[in-house]
Amino acid sequence: GENVEQHPSTLSVQEGDSAVIKCTYSDSASNYFPWYKQELGKRPQLIIDIRSNVGEKKDQRIAVTLNKTAKHFSLHITETQPEDSAVYFCAATTGGFKTIFGAGTRLFVKA
Amino acid sequence: GAVVSQHPSRVICKSGTSVKIECRSLDFQATTMFWYRQFPKQSLMLMATSNEGSKATYEQGVEKDKFLINHASLTLSTLTVTSAHPEDSSFYICSARVRQGYAEAFFGQGTRLTVV
Repeated sequence: GENVEQHPSTLSVQEGDSAVIKCTYSDSASNYFPWYKQELGKRPQLIIDIRSNVGEKKDQRIAVTLNKTAKHFSLHITETQPEDSAVYFCAATTGGFKTIFGAGTRLFVKA
Repeated sequence: GAVVSQHPSRVICKSGTSVKIECRSLDFQATTMFWYRQFPKQSLMLMATSNEGSKATYEQGVEKDKFLINHASLTLSTLTVTSAHPEDSSFYICSARVRQGYAEAFFGQGTRLTVV
């Protein structure tokens, strides 16, 4: 089955700096890669996603890149703000629509 | 976006009792729903795929007799934790997709189960 690895587990940045989170997946059939932000005790919120036929996608301060050959994808957050502090999960979805999550990255943005 | 509602948001039960959690798609029909469990400071672990009108598909290591899933309609899936024990205490969360072929999933609010 699919296995998603995510690094780092914890990331601390200064406000205004960029943050990068990296993930790898194992199942070449995975074709959809969402990123979720989860605050304590709340449901995951989709922040950006990318499909396997696209290499890069950007939405304001957030961008995601995908390298299908290497089976890895990354989340980039620029100009970080304290409200970006949360746990971020990458995920990979196979054609069967099962979504498998990475272990999560706890992002701290210091003011 | 689509709305998925989960109930209850919190439940405390005694060891040995059963607890039912509901997951509803409010403004769309969902032939497939997914149930996850999340322990504190850990990731969401897929437990099972709930299929409307048929048996759920369980992930390896998940006891189907302990975690009963029923998906009797296109808008409702239920997860029943039977004979609950303290180690079942966790955050349970469901998700659903608007339609097949459109992969974005929407999550319910989650249910924090505490077994005492």
